Amino acid sequence: AQSVAQPEDQVNVAEGNPLTVKCTYSVSGNPYLFWYVQYPNRGLQFLLKYITGDNLVKGSYGFEAEFNKSQTSFHLKKPSALVSDSALYFCAVRPGGDNAGNMLTFGGGTRLMVKP
Amino acid sequence: EAQVTQNPRYLITVTGKKLTVTCSQNMNHEYMSWYRQDPGLGLRQIYYSMNVEVTDKGDVPEGYKVSRKEKRNFPLILESPSPNQTSLYFCASSLLGGTQYFGPGTRLLVL
Repeated sequence: AQSVAQPEDQVNVAEGNPLTVKCTYSVSGNPYLFWYVQYPNRGLQFLLKYITGDNLVKGSYGFEAEFNKSQTSFHLKKPSALVSDSALYFCAVRPGGDNAGNMLTFGGGTRLMVKP
Repeated sequence: EAQVTQNPRYLITVTGKKLTVTCSQNMNHEYMSWYRQDPGLGLRQIYYSMNVEVTDKGDVPEGYKVSRKEKRNFPLILESPSPNQTSLYFCASSLLGGTQYFGPGTRLLVL
């Protein structure tokens, strides 16, 4: 069975500082990894994904994530946080391969608070 | 505009009164899925569908039904809602093996 852990319920950061939102996963075989963001009263928006290739993945709104196979981690990062980045962030995983099915397993979410 | 739509967005009902939440996508996606979101638990999959007339249970299917008679629609049915089904519900769709795109959510309160 696959699982995702987001160890921090909330991350606080000052505007302009770098941010990291942590994610570790467990899945059979090579993983497909995703980050989604949820703004207040909105649905989930896709940020970025890792399937294969370069371990550093760049996504929307200046976010990036680093895949680390040995540590089974996929931490979300941004060099300079904005107040508008304040939202709920979800990491998700599914088994790799086009025939592995689409079933995503989500972490519990991390609330990011960026203060002016 | 490519999108997943859900209706209604907000719903208050009483225990035992059957309800349906509709989901529609205009991207010709084969895969559709329903999730519920509860604080601290993230999103958990209720049911999914790989194509028309093909549906299967997710992690938390009890108390829910779905149907997939058309490719674009994937309604979620609560035959006899109970208070523990109070939650935020999301529909999602994707190509097989592709990235899932989510609807805006339906907030359900069962009294």
